Amino acid sequence: ETGVTQTPRHLVMGMTNKKSLKCEQHLGHNAMYWYKQSAKKPLELMFVYNFKEQTENNSVPSRFSPECPNSSHLFLHLHTLQPEDSALYLCASSQASGSYEQYFGPGTRLTVT
Amino acid sequence: QKEVEQDPGPLSVPEGAIVSLNCTYSNSAFQYFMWYRQYSRKGPELLMYTYSSGNKEDGRFTAQVDKSSKYISLFIRDSQPSDSATYLCAMSNYGQNFVFGPGTRLSVLP
Repeated sequence: ETGVTQTPRHLVMGMTNKKSLKCEQHLGHNAMYWYKQSAKKPLELMFVYNFKEQTENNSVPSRFSPECPNSSHLFLHLHTLQPEDSALYLCASSQASGSYEQYFGPGTRLTVT
Repeated sequence: QKEVEQDPGPLSVPEGAIVSLNCTYSNSAFQYFMWYRQYSRKGPELLMYTYSSGNKEDGRFTAQVDKSSKYISLFIRDSQPSDSATYLCAMSNYGQNFVFGPGTRLSVLP
């Protein structure tokens, strides 16, 4: 595996479900990010981790819970989501936090029913 | 006023045309300006970056930054059907405030 991988690629969940998104980077980077991409809207930065420590949380609702056990892995735990949370969730990594060059995974297409 | 504005398109051009994609921004502190390309069902990939004002050329692609006007552009020469994608501008003041535009969807017709 190379680059940034994300699983699952597609996820349909009910509002009462609990699920997790997984991201893994094989680039030796130190920073990892979660973004939300909705139709016709800019990418929304959700969380930033630098050397496993969360350095940014952009007022994301608590129904989204990130976890970064090491610099290569990032999770996004989901529970009691709302239909408006349906979007493409992208993971990215970079050599250092704030670097202009971020490498993105293919994303998880999430549908909340 | 939105921090970064970008015409969402879609923009359709014939193969071989010169394409001009643009973004305007409001934060004068931005120093790094990036263009990402996103193909359907893929994540964005960095195409070009520019530091501060000026031009940068890479093959068929030219990025321009005019900080006095808070305006950046990406030009694609001799456009190809494989250039069909969504183009996202992004900017930052390094280490802080990394912001993307909403993207312009480009279709290059054979």
